[in-house]
Amino acid sequence: DGGITQSPKYLFRKEGQNVTLSCEQNLNHDAMYWYRQDPGQGLRLIYYSQIVNDFQKGDIAEGYSVSREKKESFPLTVTSAQKNPTAFYLCASSIDLWRNYEQYFGPGTRLTVT
Amino acid sequence: DQQVKQNSPSLSVQEGRISILNCDYTNSMFDYFLWYKKYPAEGPTFLISISSIKDKNEDGRFTVFLNKSAKHLSLHIVPSQPGDSAVYFCAADQGGKLIFGQGTELSVKP
Repeated sequence: DGGITQSPKYLFRKEGQNVTLSCEQNLNHDAMYWYRQDPGQGLRLIYYSQIVNDFQKGDIAEGYSVSREKKESFPLTVTSAQKNPTAFYLCASSIDLWRNYEQYFGPGTRLTVT
Repeated sequence: DQQVKQNSPSLSVQEGRISILNCDYTNSMFDYFLWYKKYPAEGPTFLISISSIKDKNEDGRFTVFLNKSAKHLSLHIVPSQPGDSAVYFCAADQGGKLIFGQGTELSVKP
């Protein structure tokens, strides 16, 4: 079955620690994305990647970092510089960036930082 | 500045009736729009999309209408079913990146 997996579903960290959220897809999609969702708000774009070894900042990239060493994988690191890291994080992929294809989403990771 | 707005945070509808979810946008350059459905603690799932060259797209019980002059789109669900209860997001495609509205929580009561 093709799809996007995110692990873990729930993650707890102490303030000041970096944490990495995993995202893997076996859809053979070129483009991948990271969003965060906060209560009462829509999804906001953190980073996106068009192809391997390339990624671009989204609207709220501060305090986050990503890598795209493999087509299937797009991990997101939430650093201690991110002021409000507690949120629901969603990874998505699409066939490519430049045509109007829908994005497919993973199940999400809820990160709680105390 | 919010480029895609869903001004109704919630909507309650009786089973079997029509649900109408609304979405407004500010950027006239947007040419492709999508609706997603999201259950709590899950990722959004794609529902239906519409290109700006059309004013209507239908898929089963779901129809999306686009009024370009008003910069407004709406999602109609008819007949509504309890399983339709979820948060619905509209999104506009901006060069491959999606700009999402805040979402509308639909509750369909039996």
